[in-house]
Amino acid sequence: NAGVTQTPKFRVLKTGQSMTLLCAQDMNHEYMYWYRQDPGMGLRLIHYSVGEGTTAKGEVPDGYNVSRLKKQNFLLGLESAAPSQTSVYFCASSLRDDSGNTIYFGEGSWLTVV
Amino acid sequence: AQKITQTQPGMFVQEKEAVTLDCTYDTSDPSYGLFWYKQPSSGEMIFLIYQGSYDQQNATEGRYSLNFQKARKSANLVISASQLGDSAMYFCAMRIQGAQKLVFGQGTRLTINP
Repeated sequence: NAGVTQTPKFRVLKTGQSMTLLCAQDMNHEYMYWYRQDPGMGLRLIHYSVGEGTTAKGEVPDGYNVSRLKKQNFLLGLESAAPSQTSVYFCASSLRDDSGNTIYFGEGSWLTVV
Repeated sequence: AQKITQTQPGMFVQEKEAVTLDCTYDTSDPSYGLFWYKQPSSGEMIFLIYQGSYDQQNATEGRYSLNFQKARKSANLVISASQLGDSAMYFCAMRIQGAQKLVFGQGTRLTINP
């Protein structure tokens, strides 16, 4: 009954360091997403993927890269972390893009860049 | 462009009272879906209820109902008989059919007082 799982849940980085957030889903969903949540700004889409081997930019893609080598996994990379990337990151997944398909979220990853 | 507006940053309600959380949306697309998510202090995003733009009846899920007024472009969440455990952030979101992303409002923080 895992659903969407994100690792790690908490991380502190120094400015300029790199890291990768891993998202895994076991629901055989085609679509996967990475959002960031900042106070007073709701959730904003960073990147998304509509299938294995495909990725696309969302609203706030700068400073991030993603890869979807396997259908069940979606990786979010920060090549050179900046304090502005301190945020809570949510991975999500859904079936194809019919408006009625619910998007399921992971539990979030808290990232602090100092 | 699609936009979701939640005009209530915070609300305080007495336990057992009903509460209405406001949400208005803006889109020119005729086919869309509206979602409400709950985010408790632990951080996870919990799906509550969905309303499709062509649905004739308001959606209901237990104590949650969605007051859908299409002409006014509003999709208010109604929680009946509020409980202490309902204290959380609530996000309204919209997805256009054929679009890959869920657009979120800024959220309303609901506090239930005993």
